[in-house]
Amino acid sequence: GAGVSQSPSNKVTEKGKDVELRCDPISGHTALYWYRQRLGQGLEFLIYFQGNSAPDKSGLPSDRFSAERTGESVSTLTIQRTQQEDSAVYLCASSLLAVGSDTQYFGPGTRLTVL
Amino acid sequence: AQSVTQPDIHITVSEGASLELRCNYSYGATPYLFWYVQSPGQGLQLLLKYFSGDTLVQGIKGFEAEFKRSQSSFNLRKPSVHWSDAAEYFCAVGARNTDKLIFGTGTRLQVFP
Repeated sequence: GAGVSQSPSNKVTEKGKDVELRCDPISGHTALYWYRQRLGQGLEFLIYFQGNSAPDKSGLPSDRFSAERTGESVSTLTIQRTQQEDSAVYLCASSLLAVGSDTQYFGPGTRLTVL
Repeated sequence: AQSVTQPDIHITVSEGASLELRCNYSYGATPYLFWYVQSPGQGLQLLLKYFSGDTLVQGIKGFEAEFKRSQSSFNLRKPSVHWSDAAEYFCAVGARNTDKLIFGTGTRLQVFP
C-alpha cells in the first residue's frame, strides 16, 4: 500500500500570506503527527491527532498555526500570516496505534519558503 | 520531560569503516528509543527501535543499537559502512505516558570512497 503522502512538495510564499499543507496518512492509521524541521535542526513536534479524540496542540508555536483532520483521513496544516521564521520542512507522520512504542511512518515533507 | 542529545553534528567515515553514532537521552523511566534515517529528498525511515527485552537491537540495512541504562545511551552502530549510508540520522525518545516523540538534532554522516 501507499505510504504517507504530502502536498505540495515545495511551497514558496510571500510574508503575510496564508498557506495550507496537506497530509494523506497510511490507510487505517489512527494517529497522525505534524512536525517542523528547520534547517540544521531536529524535528519539532507541532500537533497530534488520534482517532476522534481532541488533538494535542501543545507544540503549535503560535495561534497562526492550526490543523484539522477529518476522522482518520486527510489532515491540513494551516499557517496564517506567514513569517520568514516559518520557513522549514513540515513533516507529517502516521502510526497504526496511538501508543508511544508504535512506529511512526513519515511522509517526504513540504518545504516551505517564506520570502 | 524526556530529551535527546546527539553530540556529533557531522561525522565522516571511509567506505568499509565501522560506524558509531551517539545518542544520549534523559527520562526518568525506561524509554522507548528509536533511530530514524533521512536520505536527501526523502522522508524519515525507521532503522530500529527499543522498548523492552534484549538491549541489543537489530535493524534494517545492517544497523544495530545497544540500550545502556547506566549510561542513558542508545548508540547506533554498523560494522562496515556503505556509500549509500550517507544521510542524516536522528535518535528519538518516547515515553510510556505520552504518544509524542522527542527527536535529537541529528547527525549528518558523510561517506568517502
